[in-house]
Amino acid sequence: QSALTQPRSVSGSPGHSVTISCTGTSSDVGTYNFVSWYQQHPGKAPKLIIYDVLKRPSGVPDRFSGSKSGNTASLTISGLQAEDEADYYCCSYAGTYNSVFGGGTKLTVV
Amino acid sequence: QVQLLQSGAEVREPGASVKVSCKASGYTFTGYYIHWVRQAPGQGLQWMGWMNPNSGGTNYAENFQGRVTMTRDTSFSTAYMALTSLEFDDAAVYYCARGDSSNWTPKFDYWGQGTLVTVSS
Repeated sequence: QSALTQPRSVSGSPGHSVTISCTGTSSDVGTYNFVSWYQQHPGKAPKLIIYDVLKRPSGVPDRFSGSKSGNTASLTISGLQAEDEADYYCCSYAGTYNSVFGGGTKLTVV
Repeated sequence: QVQLLQSGAEVREPGASVKVSCKASGYTFTGYYIHWVRQAPGQGLQWMGWMNPNSGGTNYAENFQGRVTMTRDTSFSTAYMALTSLEFDDAAVYYCARGDSSNWTPKFDYWGQGTLVTVSS
């Protein structure tokens, strides 16, 4: 499977909102509601922030939200904070027991 | 609390093999899938495959089929990932991650700290 497509970088100001897209195909994002999002700070392991397209694990602020339309999933972060600056990765189930990650997006809070 | 503790850094020559361990604690090891994900220096995450610790069943990403083997020892609540015929491109941090309790979908809620594998001649 080919990696899902994410923008290389996005930026936003504190208190504002940003949306990160994750584009796949009808073989993965478009067919299955099994998209998850991960936040990774430098030198750290990834952290699950969204699963099953729009569900939040306990402890994840409701500033983080997920959605999907067609072959594209999106992560929206509202009320940006300095600590949100990190790399973000989407991951989708791709059928036949496989999963695939996106290339990652670097979020800068300016 | 749920923890996944991985083995330490490894250095291997091209053509060699490596085996990384992932010891689980704080939950029922056989109740959740274990996935392996790697990250080359400065690069993104790459999904490698999963193992069902209860049955021992596995599924590997196409890119790794024939070179990767995922196993477990339920007596020690430990999962293993072995990769053979190492190439320079295999140099990466390898992570184990806990998956879902009932299926192989990508919901990786706990991660190990990562194991750095260096490939050098």
